[in-house]
Amino acid sequence: DTEVTQTPKHLVMGMTNKKSLKCEQHMGHRAMYWYKQKAKKPPELMFVYSYEKLSINESVPSRFSPECPNSSLLNLHLHALQPEDSALYLCASSQATGPNSPLHFGNGTRLTVT
Amino acid sequence: DQQVKQNSPSLSVQEGRISILNCDYTNSMFDYFLWYKKYPAEGPTFLISISSIKDKNEDGRFTVFLNKSAKHLSLHIVPSQPGDSAVYFCAANLSGGYNKLIFGAGTRLAVHP
Repeated sequence: DTEVTQTPKHLVMGMTNKKSLKCEQHMGHRAMYWYKQKAKKPPELMFVYSYEKLSINESVPSRFSPECPNSSLLNLHLHALQPEDSALYLCASSQATGPNSPLHFGNGTRLTVT
Repeated sequence: DQQVKQNSPSLSVQEGRISILNCDYTNSMFDYFLWYKKYPAEGPTFLISISSIKDKNEDGRFTVFLNKSAKHLSLHIVPSQPGDSAVYFCAANLSGGYNKLIFGAGTRLAVHP
């Protein structure tokens, strides 16, 4: 069982909908991440939160809005998405914020935008 | 331009034999490398890592080798087991700063009896 929990597992939404992806970890990790993975492609970094503050935004369009309410929770708010945003969205956490701390991934949310 | 490359999309190995997965990188500033394994419908799972100050790291059946001059690393699995069948991602990180992993495209390993 993964220690990073993502909900929902699957999400279908229209281009005018507003939805949110949720991620939770209880390992006391200080950094949390959102990755996007398209079919047959590697995961691509979207956002990094370090000590609940946004540290990295990889030039992600504003229709994706991350939020870190506390050290255990990470949300990704979605609004006015495009069909090309359909992908697997992976949340991850790491014990430390530096580059030598391995990421622990959740099982992802499979998003389909219609 | 891909900074981390896994040029073999797939690899088939017989159970009990050695599996060798390869990874090349272009950025000489990378100094920490990781391998992740991914089963269908699951997120990637951390397998093993190596710092650029080392050339080998071993953990049970898994060994990672790093050749800095060639900008090449490899993952050896000995002996291979059917449960090792998965997609393996190589990933690299820059020194300092935040954790900003860059992944290769992955190699699908199939271990058959």
